[in-house]
Amino acid sequence: DIQMTQSPSSLSASVGDRVTITCRASQSIAKYLSWYQQKPGKAPNLLIYTTSNLQSGVPSRFSGSGSGTDFTLTISSLQPEDFATYYCQQSYSTWWTFGQGTKVEIK
Amino acid sequence: EVHLLESGGGLVQPGGSLRLSCATSGFTFNTHAMSWVRQAPGKGLEWVSAISAGGESTYHADSVKGRFAISRDNSKNTLYLQMNSLRAEDTAVYYCAKLGDPADWGQGTLVTVSS
Repeated sequence: DIQMTQSPSSLSASVGDRVTITCRASQSIAKYLSWYQQKPGKAPNLLIYTTSNLQSGVPSRFSGSGSGTDFTLTISSLQPEDFATYYCQQSYSTWWTFGQGTKVEIK
Repeated sequence: EVHLLESGGGLVQPGGSLRLSCATSGFTFNTHAMSWVRQAPGKGLEWVSAISAGGESTYHADSVKGRFAISRDNSKNTLYLQMNSLRAEDTAVYYCAKLGDPADWGQGTLVTVSS
């Protein structure tokens, strides 16, 4: 199975900060990496797919980069509605695997 | 617009069975592989099962292998998850998802395994 390691597990940031979350795969997954945002009691919301494609309706302050085994989610200017938990997910194999999540909290 | 609507969740005793359904619309169901993903209370996301577009191939996580069975009815645009021998650790919100780029998810159905 492909293991996904996300870091950090949590972070504290202020509105307007630039935030970066990283995800590392245990083997190459080419470009097949997605990022999700999840708020308490809600289903995960797709932000980015195939590394850098912004899902329709997602603000442009979210961006993704990387390839192979190392990937990054960047929020260019953190907004109040961005405080949530973020997950990376590989779709290189039919059986998906997820990172353990990064909780973004208010400083 | 893609819609995925899960149903069939509820409270069940340990050792019991439950069948989840996922009704879909807004896309050509029989051309997409589908998955189930779950999330235990306060925990992260865990992939559970997947099925090919035609239903010929199925995949299950080791944690549910031999107890859960994924299936689909392409004439009804519906995905299923038969869950047997349920355990407390199967308590979770279960989401169905359409594989692809981008993927689409439903809103989930809660399964609680408790006596």
